[in-house]
Amino acid sequence: GAVVSQHPSRVICKSGTSVKIECRSLDFQATTMFWYRQFPKKSLMLMATSNEGSKATYEQGVEKDKFLINHASLTLSTLTVTSAHPEDSSFYICSARDPGQGAIQETQYFGPGTRLLVL
Amino acid sequence: DAKTTQPNSMESNEEEPVHLPCNHSTISGTDYIHWYRQLPSQGPEYVIHGLTSNVNNRMASLAIAEDRKSSTLILHRATLRDAAVYYCILRDSGGSNYKLTFGKGTLLTVNP
Repeated sequence: GAVVSQHPSRVICKSGTSVKIECRSLDFQATTMFWYRQFPKKSLMLMATSNEGSKATYEQGVEKDKFLINHASLTLSTLTVTSAHPEDSSFYICSARDPGQGAIQETQYFGPGTRLLVL
Repeated sequence: DAKTTQPNSMESNEEEPVHLPCNHSTISGTDYIHWYRQLPSQGPEYVIHGLTSNVNNRMASLAIAEDRKSSTLILHRATLRDAAVYYCILRDSGGSNYKLTFGKGTLLTVNP
């Protein structure tokens, strides 16, 4: 199956700094990628939809100026957590959709996640 | 998207079949039924999806009720590696955004 990678896998940063997380589709081109956040013992919460070549669409309650998303190419989307605070500590997961034919279109491929700890 | 209801947890024994239920009584005619699973500290993994007919793949089978108000994910022989949270998700095939809304899922424990 298709592979999605994330980098870094874990990061520790000081409060007030910015952190960039990369999401790459390794063997397909993804016009649409999604960013999720997951707190311990909780389910995934969709943060935003990242569209190649256009602005991201944010879910209600997600600050677009704090979580900057850039989808500069068909294989790369980045999420930057700006001025991170301890409450931003979470597991950030991206997914990508292969805009192929038929049933492939319905499948989302998830990255392994990035664990962020803000001190 | 229409809502799904799953049991919070289920237990199974290794090498036995597992039937994971999902209720979706408000499903619309254009909703696909998706199943994903998430192993501890990993991103979710696609398992299977279907619309009306039962589906089989190398990982599992999906049995969809005739009225589509419920479905069952079937793992034919559970292994310890199948221990995960299983999510049943509906996605409107008429929508163009392909967003997935995750619920709480079912935590499957597999006993050796």
